[in-house]
Amino acid sequence: EVQLLESGGGLVQPGGSLRLSCAASGFTFTSYAMSWVRQGPGKGLEWVSEISSGGSTYYADSVKGRFTISRDNSNNALYLQMNSLRAEDTAVYYCAKGPYSLSYVDFWGQGTLVTVSS
Amino acid sequence: EILMTQSPATLSVSPGERATLSCRASQSVNSNLAWYQQKPGQAPRLLIYAASTRATGIPARFSGSGSGTEFTLTISSLQSEDFAVYYCQQYNNWWTFGQGTRVEIK
Repeated sequence: EVQLLESGGGLVQPGGSLRLSCAASGFTFTSYAMSWVRQGPGKGLEWVSEISSGGSTYYADSVKGRFTISRDNSNNALYLQMNSLRAEDTAVYYCAKGPYSLSYVDFWGQGTLVTVSS
Repeated sequence: EILMTQSPATLSVSPGERATLSCRASQSVNSNLAWYQQKPGQAPRLLIYAASTRATGIPARFSGSGSGTEFTLTISSLQSEDFAVYYCQQYNNWWTFGQGTRVEIK
């Protein structure tokens, strides 16, 4: 059974940093693209970033230069380093698995809440 | 950026009735379109990919159609567990999601 478990969310001040983690299990982690998708309070879904199985990275314009996605294939883990955080980054961040790079999401984690506020 | 527009924003339907949700792309996305269901406090769940292919474990009452710029998600006979928000997503050129359609009990 595919499981994606996010952690690392919390309250951070504007301009601060936070690192999200996602522990993956139940599938061959190295073979799949992994992504982060966020959802602001009462809002819709917004794709944030993806890392392919080969390590290529992609970012939404709204986070480019501030966020860094990475993966540790030896520990089946996905990360999102978030710097220079803004109030508009407040959201639930979902870890997501896709069948291939830049495709749809076939499994979602339960999400971790990031709140950017002073 | 490809914009995805869903209509209506809210759909009021009685249990057992048919629900038809629309999703329009600002330019062609071929058949690279997915539909997701999200219930309050839960993560989204994949329903349909490649415009018309049901994901594993999705009941046959859910069906998707369309290609290019016009897509439809149909729920043939609404069950109580189907009242939720539905999102479309294009993955032909990067990713964009529609703003969602809330299906509520009439």
